[in-house]
Amino acid sequence: EAGVAQSPRYKIIEKRQSVAFWCNPISGHATLYWYQQILGQGPKLLIQFQNNGVVDDSQLPKDRFSAERLKGVDSTLKIQPAKLEDSAVYLCASSFTPSGYNTDTQYFGPGTRLTVL
Amino acid sequence: QKEVEQDPGPLSVPEGAIVSLNCTYSNSAFQYFMWYRQYSRKGPELLMYTYSSGNKEDGRFTAQVDKSSKYISLFIRDSQPSDSATYLCAMSGANNLFFGTGTRLTVIP
Repeated sequence: EAGVAQSPRYKIIEKRQSVAFWCNPISGHATLYWYQQILGQGPKLLIQFQNNGVVDDSQLPKDRFSAERLKGVDSTLKIQPAKLEDSAVYLCASSFTPSGYNTDTQYFGPGTRLTVL
Repeated sequence: QKEVEQDPGPLSVPEGAIVSLNCTYSNSAFQYFMWYRQYSRKGPELLMYTYSSGNKEDGRFTAQVDKSSKYISLFIRDSQPSDSATYLCAMSGANNLFFGTGTRLTVIP
């Protein structure tokens, strides 16, 4: 079974530029998550999709971050414009059932390491 | 106060040692407790999953949950160099999953 795929693996941009990350979840997984992991910290949930609908985006900085999951499969996360504090690893995860975090294993991709200069 | 507190380490042990990793939490609604392992430049992978209080063993790994003390532990027996990674505790109640900061472990051959 193929894992969660993410691209690009690394990205370096100047502040105020735009950037987009792509995620392909495990086939058949209904729920998709985007996390931000700042160096030395644990992952923080940005947004959760169930199929192509948003379940939780309470911690997404909506003035600069946006995300979509077209057709309930792939997802993109965009930052526009980027700030220095956005430097982090952006992790995508997926889980099989839309039952939430409690009983459902999340499978993580390798992440995209973003550096904002 | 953070939802989940975890000593970031780093922790270095000789091969074969018993490793103890710990987290404390403040939210009494948490019922599901997990340990993730994260190798360098990789995403986290689920290592252990426990519901409510008690112990769970899987090979060299044992997870313990003490809800009365709001304290969870992961023990690694006969540690191996391949266990060198960052270990993240995570927990949830009804909704969001909260992660600790992670403890970086190095097992020295």
